[in-house]
Amino acid sequence: QVYLVQSGAEVKKPGASVKVSCKASGYTFTNYYMHWVRQAPGQGLEWMGKINPDGGSTTYPQKFQGRVTVTRDTSTSTIYMGLSRLRSDDTAVYFCARWRDGYNTFDYWGQGTLVIVSS
Amino acid sequence: EIVLTQSPATLSLSPGERATLSCRASQSIMSQLAWFQQKPGQPPRLLIYDASNRATAIPARFSGSGSGTDFILTISSLEPEDFAVYYCQQSNNWLTFGGGTKVEIK
Repeated sequence: QVYLVQSGAEVKKPGASVKVSCKASGYTFTNYYMHWVRQAPGQGLEWMGKINPDGGSTTYPQKFQGRVTVTRDTSTSTIYMGLSRLRSDDTAVYFCARWRDGYNTFDYWGQGTLVIVSS
Repeated sequence: EIVLTQSPATLSLSPGERATLSCRASQSIMSQLAWFQQKPGQPPRLLIYDASNRATAIPARFSGSGSGTDFILTISSLEPEDFAVYYCQQSNNWLTFGGGTKVEIK
């Protein structure tokens, strides 16, 4: 059974940075790209970027380039999402999700991590 | 960026009724469209991939259709557990999501 287990909630001040983790189990970690998607309170879903766990190459949409860093640790089958220069509008639930190539979409999601940015 | 427009924003229906949800893309995305269901406090759940393929363990009352720019998610007969928010998502050009349709109990 595939599991994606994320780290716990965070409260940060504006201007600070946050790092969220997502530990994968139940499959071969390096065989599937992993993505991060966020959801502001009461809002829709927003894609933040992806990583190829096999090699570590990353891709970010223009909106997040320079502020988001996605990394992985193959020894623990964990991916990380770092977001810097936090603003109040970064308050959201952050999800990791596994990409299924044959489906052209996400087949498994983490439970979500709430990040609150407040002074 | 490809914009996905979902309509209606809210659909008020009774259990047993048919739900028809629309997702329109700002340019052709071929069949690279997925549908997700999300309930409060939960991550999205994959329902349909590549426009018309049901994901594993998804009941047959859920079906997807369309290609190019216009897509439909149909729930043939609403069950109590189907009242939720539904999102479409495209992967033809980067990744974007629609704004969602809330299916609520009438």
